[in-house]
Amino acid sequence: GQQVMQIPQYQHVQEGEDFTTYCNSSTTLSNIQWYKQRPGGHPVFLIQLVKSGEVKKQKRLTFQFGEAKKNSSLHITATQTTDVGTYFCAGQGDMRFGAGTRLTVKP
Amino acid sequence: NAGVTQTPKFQVLKTGQSMTLQCAQDMNHEYMSWYRQDPGMGLRLIHYSVGAGITDQGEVPNGYNVSRSTTEDFPLRLLSAAPSQTSVYFCASSYLPDSPLHFGNGTRLTVT
Repeated sequence: GQQVMQIPQYQHVQEGEDFTTYCNSSTTLSNIQWYKQRPGGHPVFLIQLVKSGEVKKQKRLTFQFGEAKKNSSLHITATQTTDVGTYFCAGQGDMRFGAGTRLTVKP
Repeated sequence: NAGVTQTPKFQVLKTGQSMTLQCAQDMNHEYMSWYRQDPGMGLRLIHYSVGAGITDQGEVPNGYNVSRSTTEDFPLRLLSAAPSQTSVYFCASSYLPDSPLHFGNGTRLTVT
Protein backbone atom coordinates (compact mmCIF):
# COMPACT_ATOMS: atom_id res chain seq x y z
CA GLY A 1 0.00 0.00 0.00
CA GLN A 2 0.88 3.62 -0.10
CA GLN A 3 3.68 4.67 2.21
CA VAL A 4 4.71 8.18 3.04
CA MET A 5 8.24 8.65 4.38
CA GLN A 6 9.32 11.86 6.04
CA ILE A 7 12.83 13.06 6.88
CA PRO A 8 14.45 14.10 9.06
CA GLN A 9 12.74 12.74 12.16
CA TYR A 10 14.16 15.51 14.33
CA GLN A 11 15.71 18.90 13.62
CA HIS A 12 17.13 21.32 16.14
CA VAL A 13 17.99 24.79 14.88
CA GLN A 14 19.13 28.10 16.23
CA GLU A 15 16.52 30.82 15.95
CA GLY A 16 16.97 32.57 12.63
CA GLU A 17 18.26 29.48 10.80
CA ASP A 18 16.32 27.87 7.98
CA PHE A 19 14.59 24.50 8.24
CA THR A 20 13.43 21.99 5.63
CA THR A 21 11.49 18.75 5.93
CA TYR A 22 10.98 16.30 3.09
CA CYS A 23 8.15 13.94 2.30
CA ASN A 24 8.44 11.02 -0.14
CA SER A 25 5.74 8.67 -1.33
CA SER A 26 6.07 5.21 -2.84
CA THR A 27 3.20 6.02 -5.20
CA THR A 28 2.04 9.02 -7.19
CA LEU A 29 -0.19 11.27 -5.13
CA SER A 30 -3.18 13.24 -6.36
CA ASN A 31 -2.54 15.76 -3.62
CA ILE A 32 -0.55 16.24 -0.45
CA GLN A 33 -1.40 18.08 2.72
CA TRP A 34 0.82 19.53 5.44
CA TYR A 35 -0.08 19.82 9.10
CA LYS A 36 1.57 21.31 12.18
CA GLN A 37 1.17 19.95 15.68
CA ARG A 38 2.32 22.05 18.60
CA PRO A 39 3.57 20.15 21.68
CA GLY A 40 0.56 18.76 23.55
CA GLY A 41 -1.81 19.87 20.81
CA HIS A 42 -3.59 18.41 17.84
CA PRO A 43 -2.59 18.56 14.16
CA VAL A 44 -3.67 21.72 12.38
CA PHE A 45 -3.98 21.95 8.61
CA LEU A 46 -1.45 24.22 6.90
CA ILE A 47 -1.82 23.75 3.17
CA GLN A 48 -2.79 21.41 0.34
CA LEU A 49 -0.81 20.97 -2.89
CA VAL A 50 -2.48 19.51 -5.95
CA LYS A 51 -0.57 20.37 -9.13
CA SER A 52 2.71 18.92 -10.34
CA GLY A 53 5.57 21.31 -9.50
CA GLU A 54 3.29 23.53 -7.44
CA VAL A 55 4.88 26.02 -5.04
CA LYS A 56 2.89 27.82 -2.39
CA LYS A 57 4.02 30.31 0.24
CA GLN A 58 2.62 31.28 3.59
CA LYS A 59 4.75 34.10 5.02
CA ARG A 60 8.05 32.37 5.93
CA LEU A 61 6.83 28.90 4.90
CA THR A 62 7.35 27.58 1.36
CA PHE A 63 5.72 24.37 0.22
CA GLN A 64 6.65 22.44 -2.93
CA PHE A 65 5.10 19.49 -4.74
CA GLY A 66 7.46 17.50 -6.94
CA GLU A 67 7.12 17.26 -10.69
CA ALA A 68 6.33 13.54 -10.45
CA LYS A 69 3.89 14.18 -7.57
CA LYS A 70 5.74 11.67 -5.39
CA ASN A 71 7.58 14.07 -3.10
CA SER A 72 7.06 17.34 -1.31
CA SER A 73 8.97 19.71 0.93
CA LEU A 74 8.29 22.36 3.53
CA HIS A 75 10.89 25.06 4.00
CA ILE A 76 10.82 27.61 6.82
CA THR A 77 12.98 30.70 6.41
CA ALA A 78 14.48 32.31 9.52
CA THR A 79 12.84 30.08 12.10
CA GLN A 80 11.22 31.57 15.17
CA THR A 81 10.36 29.98 18.51
CA THR A 82 6.72 29.98 17.42
CA ASP A 83 7.66 27.46 14.69
CA VAL A 84 8.31 24.77 17.30
CA GLY A 85 6.26 21.64 16.76
CA THR A 86 5.97 18.55 14.60
CA TYR A 87 5.27 18.92 10.90
CA PHE A 88 3.42 16.14 9.11
CA CYS A 89 2.71 15.45 5.48
CA ALA A 90 -0.27 13.35 4.45
CA GLY A 91 -0.97 11.69 1.14
CA GLN A 92 -4.30 11.61 -0.66
CA GLY A 93 -6.97 8.98 -0.43
CA ASP A 94 -7.06 7.65 3.08
CA MET A 95 -4.72 10.41 4.21
CA ARG A 96 -1.84 8.30 5.46
CA PHE A 97 0.55 10.46 7.41
CA GLY A 98 4.30 10.53 7.45
CA ALA A 99 5.98 10.02 10.83
CA GLY A 100 6.59 13.76 11.11
CA THR A 101 9.58 16.02 11.65
CA ARG A 102 9.91 17.44 15.12
CA LEU A 103 11.38 20.93 15.06
CA THR A 104 12.92 22.55 18.11
CA VAL A 105 14.27 26.09 18.06
CA LYS A 106 16.89 27.48 20.38
CA PRO A 107 16.38 31.19 21.13
CA ASN B 1 -19.31 26.01 15.95
CA ALA B 2 -17.52 23.58 18.27
CA GLY B 3 -15.75 21.76 15.41
CA VAL B 4 -14.67 18.24 16.37
CA THR B 5 -15.33 17.29 19.98
CA GLN B 6 -13.70 14.28 21.60
CA THR B 7 -14.47 12.82 25.00
CA PRO B 8 -12.96 11.92 27.35
CA LYS B 9 -9.65 13.79 27.34
CA PHE B 10 -7.94 11.22 29.53
CA GLN B 11 -8.75 7.61 30.36
CA VAL B 12 -7.05 4.82 32.28
CA LEU B 13 -8.21 1.25 31.68
CA LYS B 14 -7.21 -2.11 33.00
CA THR B 15 -6.34 -4.85 30.54
CA GLY B 16 -9.49 -6.52 29.28
CA GLN B 17 -11.84 -3.63 29.97
CA SER B 18 -13.92 -2.12 27.22
CA MET B 19 -14.75 1.48 26.52
CA THR B 20 -15.97 3.87 23.85
CA LEU B 21 -14.18 7.02 22.74
CA GLN B 22 -16.70 9.58 21.60
CA CYS B 23 -16.32 11.89 18.60
CA ALA B 24 -18.82 14.41 17.33
CA GLN B 25 -18.59 17.13 14.69
CA ASP B 26 -21.00 19.95 13.89
CA MET B 27 -19.64 20.93 10.47
CA ASN B 28 -21.83 18.52 8.47
CA HIS B 29 -18.72 16.71 7.25
CA GLU B 30 -19.27 13.43 5.45
CA TYR B 31 -15.80 12.03 6.09
CA MET B 32 -14.65 11.07 9.60
CA SER B 33 -11.68 9.10 10.77
CA TRP B 34 -9.80 7.86 13.82
CA TYR B 35 -6.03 7.97 14.24
CA ARG B 36 -3.69 6.82 16.95
CA GLN B 37 -0.45 8.62 17.61
CA ASP B 38 2.53 6.88 19.15
CA PRO B 39 6.00 8.40 19.65
CA GLY B 40 8.07 8.24 16.48
CA MET B 41 5.28 6.68 14.43
CA GLY B 42 3.22 9.65 13.44
CA LEU B 43 -0.51 9.28 12.96
CA ARG B 44 -1.82 5.88 11.95
CA LEU B 45 -5.30 5.47 10.56
CA ILE B 46 -7.53 3.07 12.50
CA HIS B 47 -10.94 3.31 10.83
CA TYR B 48 -12.70 5.80 8.64
CA SER B 49 -16.16 6.57 7.30
CA VAL B 50 -17.22 8.32 4.11
CA GLY B 51 -20.77 8.83 5.31
CA ALA B 52 -23.51 7.63 7.63
CA GLY B 53 -23.83 3.85 7.56
CA ILE B 54 -20.45 3.32 5.86
CA THR B 55 -17.22 2.41 7.64
CA ASP B 56 -13.94 0.90 6.53
CA GLN B 57 -10.65 -0.24 7.99
CA GLY B 58 -7.45 1.77 7.97
CA GLU B 59 -3.87 0.70 8.66
CA VAL B 60 -4.29 -0.57 12.21
CA PRO B 61 -7.93 -1.68 12.76
CA ASN B 62 -7.39 -4.74 14.97
CA GLY B 63 -8.90 -4.41 18.43
CA TYR B 64 -11.15 -1.51 17.46
CA ASN B 65 -14.73 -1.23 16.22
CA VAL B 66 -16.58 1.76 14.81
CA SER B 67 -20.07 2.65 13.68
CA ARG B 68 -21.55 5.67 11.92
CA SER B 69 -25.27 5.86 12.58
CA THR B 70 -25.42 9.64 12.08
CA THR B 71 -23.37 12.17 10.12
CA GLU B 72 -22.32 13.88 13.35
CA ASP B 73 -21.05 10.99 15.47
CA PHE B 74 -18.27 8.46 14.98
CA PRO B 75 -17.52 6.52 18.19
CA LEU B 76 -14.50 4.23 18.53
CA ARG B 77 -14.91 1.10 20.65
CA LEU B 78 -12.18 -0.87 22.34
CA LEU B 79 -13.65 -4.29 23.00
CA SER B 80 -10.92 -5.70 25.27
CA ALA B 81 -8.20 -3.17 26.03
CA ALA B 82 -4.56 -4.22 25.81
CA PRO B 83 -1.40 -2.35 26.93
CA SER B 84 -0.46 -2.04 23.23
CA GLN B 85 -3.45 0.26 22.83
CA THR B 86 -1.91 2.86 25.13
CA SER B 87 -1.75 5.88 22.86
CA VAL B 88 -3.20 9.27 22.01
CA TYR B 89 -6.29 8.98 19.86
CA PHE B 90 -7.44 11.68 17.46
CA CYS B 91 -10.72 11.93 15.66
CA ALA B 92 -10.81 13.98 12.47
CA SER B 93 -13.41 15.07 9.96
CA SER B 94 -13.48 16.68 6.55
CA TYR B 95 -15.97 17.61 3.86
CA LEU B 96 -14.55 14.98 1.46
CA PRO B 97 -11.86 12.28 1.92
CA ASP B 98 -9.22 14.50 0.25
CA SER B 99 -10.29 17.74 1.93
CA PRO B 100 -8.33 19.27 4.81
CA LEU B 101 -8.85 17.39 8.06
CA HIS B 102 -10.18 19.03 11.22
CA PHE B 103 -8.89 17.28 14.32
CA GLY B 104 -10.33 16.99 17.79
CA ASN B 105 -8.20 17.70 20.84
CA GLY B 106 -7.41 14.04 21.38
CA THR B 107 -7.92 11.38 24.04
CA ARG B 108 -4.92 10.13 25.99
CA LEU B 109 -5.54 6.48 26.83
CA THR B 110 -3.44 4.39 29.19
CA VAL B 111 -4.02 0.65 29.53
CA THR B 112 -2.39 -0.99 32.54
